[in-house]
Amino acid sequence: DGGITQSPKYLFRKEGQNVTLSCEQNLNHDAMYWYRQDPGQGLRLIYYSQIVNDFQKGDIAEGYSVSREKKESFPLTVTSAQKNPTAFYLCASSPGLAGYQETQYFGPGTRLLVL
Amino acid sequence: EDKVVQSPLSLVVHEGDTVTLNCSYEVTNFRSLLWYKQEKKAPTFLFMLTSSGIEKKSGRLSSILDKKELSSILNITATQTGDSAIYLCAVEFLNRRSNYQLIWGAGTKLIIKP
Repeated sequence: DGGITQSPKYLFRKEGQNVTLSCEQNLNHDAMYWYRQDPGQGLRLIYYSQIVNDFQKGDIAEGYSVSREKKESFPLTVTSAQKNPTAFYLCASSPGLAGYQETQYFGPGTRLLVL
Repeated sequence: EDKVVQSPLSLVVHEGDTVTLNCSYEVTNFRSLLWYKQEKKAPTFLFMLTSSGIEKKSGRLSSILDKKELSSILNITATQTGDSAIYLCAVEFLNRRSNYQLIWGAGTKLIIKP
């Protein structure tokens, strides 16, 4: 079955700790994205990547870091510099940034909570 | 500043009612407007609209774009409890890095009572 998987489903972070959220896709998509969703707000773009070994900051990149060493994988690290990390994190992928965004497929999300 | 505004933020209706959800936008370099349904986790794609005045339909759902008014509506007729979800509107635009990006509205939470 093709799709996007995210793990873990829930993640707890302690003060001063870095945590990494996993995102894997087997759709052979070039582009991948990370969004943050807070209650009462729309999805906000954290980082995106058009191709392996390349990524760009989105609108709220501060306190986050990413890597794109493999086409299938786009992990997101929430660093201790992110002071308000509690949110629902969604990973998405699409065949490419040049195409219409209707082909953006989402993973099931990771809910991050601060202890 | 680019923005997408959805209204109402929440809506409670009875099964069988018809609902209209609104999305307005202020975005430079507009390319398309998209509607997604989010039930519990992953948003799922409903419609993409690029041309004004052309209605897209899928069963009981339909949507239309008005580029003059910078807005779109999503209609759901004969609502069912399975339509309960958050409906998200997103606008695709060309960002300053010349990449296409989505900007999202806050969503409308729709609750259908049996």
